[in-house]
Amino acid sequence: EIVMTQSPATLSVSPGERVTLSCRASQDIAGNLAWYQQKPGQAPRRLIFSASTRATDVSARIHGSGSGTDFTLTISSLQSDDVAVYYCQQYHDWPYTFGQGTKLDMK
Amino acid sequence: QVTLRESGPALVKPRQTLTLNCTVSGFALNTGGVCVSWIRQAPGKALEWLALIDWEDDKFYSNSLESRLAISKDTARDQVVLTVTNVSPGDTGTYYCARTGSNSWSFDYFGPGTPVTVSS
Repeated sequence: EIVMTQSPATLSVSPGERVTLSCRASQDIAGNLAWYQQKPGQAPRRLIFSASTRATDVSARIHGSGSGTDFTLTISSLQSDDVAVYYCQQYHDWPYTFGQGTKLDMK
Repeated sequence: QVTLRESGPALVKPRQTLTLNCTVSGFALNTGGVCVSWIRQAPGKALEWLALIDWEDDKFYSNSLESRLAISKDTARDQVVLTVTNVSPGDTGTYYCARTGSNSWSFDYFGPGTPVTVSS
């Protein structure tokens, strides 16, 4: 089973600052990675797939990068609407696995 | 418009079998490349993928829960069903169904989720 490790667990950032979230896979998953955003009381929402492809209606402030085992989600300028928990997920091999999430707060 | 909606009991007793339904609209379950998964989330915890059924009726399961899970679909009724046998309080959480579309094996649409509590 592929283990996905996200860092940091929590992150507090000032409005307008750049945010960088990390996700590491325990083995090579090529570009078979997605990022999801989950706000309290809501279902997850896909932001990025294929490591770097922005999903429909996702803000241009959000960027995904990486391949192999190391991946990054970047928010170029933090806004209040970005406060949420972010999960990475690999779909390279069965079983699918998620990271433990990064909680993003605003200072 | 693609939608998914979960339904099932809110409260289940330990050792019983939990049956959850996912009713879909806006797409057909036998469309090439389309799959439906079940994902759950214990209170305050991370997302956990449980099972997937694809357009050809192939099925895939979580390693740790495989012996207790069964996923099936009824294409005519636009429904995907998940059963979880011998439930315990550790199965408490919100259960989501999610679609995998034809352009990626990631989840492009989620249902709103249905909460399940396992308690006597």
